[in-house]
Amino acid sequence: DAGITQSPRYKITETGRQVTLMCHQTWSHSYMFWYRQDLGHGLRLIYYSAAADITDKGEVPDGYVVSRSKTENFPLTLESATRSQTSVYFCASSGGTDAFFGQGTRLTVV
Amino acid sequence: TQLLEQSPQFLSIQEGENLTVYCNSSSVFSSLQWYRQEPGEGPVLLVTVVTGGEVKKLKRLTFQFGDARKDSSLHITAAQPGDTGLYLCAGLRSYGKLTFGQGTILTVHP
Repeated sequence: DAGITQSPRYKITETGRQVTLMCHQTWSHSYMFWYRQDLGHGLRLIYYSAAADITDKGEVPDGYVVSRSKTENFPLTLESATRSQTSVYFCASSGGTDAFFGQGTRLTVV
Repeated sequence: TQLLEQSPQFLSIQEGENLTVYCNSSSVFSSLQWYRQEPGEGPVLLVTVVTGGEVKKLKRLTFQFGDARKDSSLHITAAQPGDTGLYLCAGLRSYGKLTFGQGTILTVHP
């Protein structure tokens, strides 16, 4: 099915563990993004990618790593999870203006 | 840093009432977007306003972009329980990046 999918939908991990959130889109959009959504802060940009092999930091990149070896995939890795990274993470893709969001991954770091 | 201030943060009204949500910035954006988000889902794009003074209508929803392209408003006429949700304004930046306001949680009581 066409669209943007995230996995897993829910994840509980321990402090210090590495965890990877997956994002896959079928539109061949050039741009992909990772946002986190927290109460009182709205959605904040973590990383974005303008094309395969091109990534750049957003507003809150510390503690996160991304890669984009293929246009359709944009995984987000927390190298050593901390409690402050407990959040809902949204992946999005765009052709330049209209953005389409995945359903989100609710991550809890205990 | 470009910031978007959205108000009010919470709105609780009765079915049939009208309401307006405001989105203000100290900076000029090339365009502003409005999203609606339901619990457990990602934001969904409602509209993009591009030209200063532009007004767009989507059934009972009216969106306006300020003449100076620094502010926008969303007006809902005769609100219905199905309008309940989180409304987000977002300023479009380079490479499709979005700066979001904090959101307005709207509850429409039957």
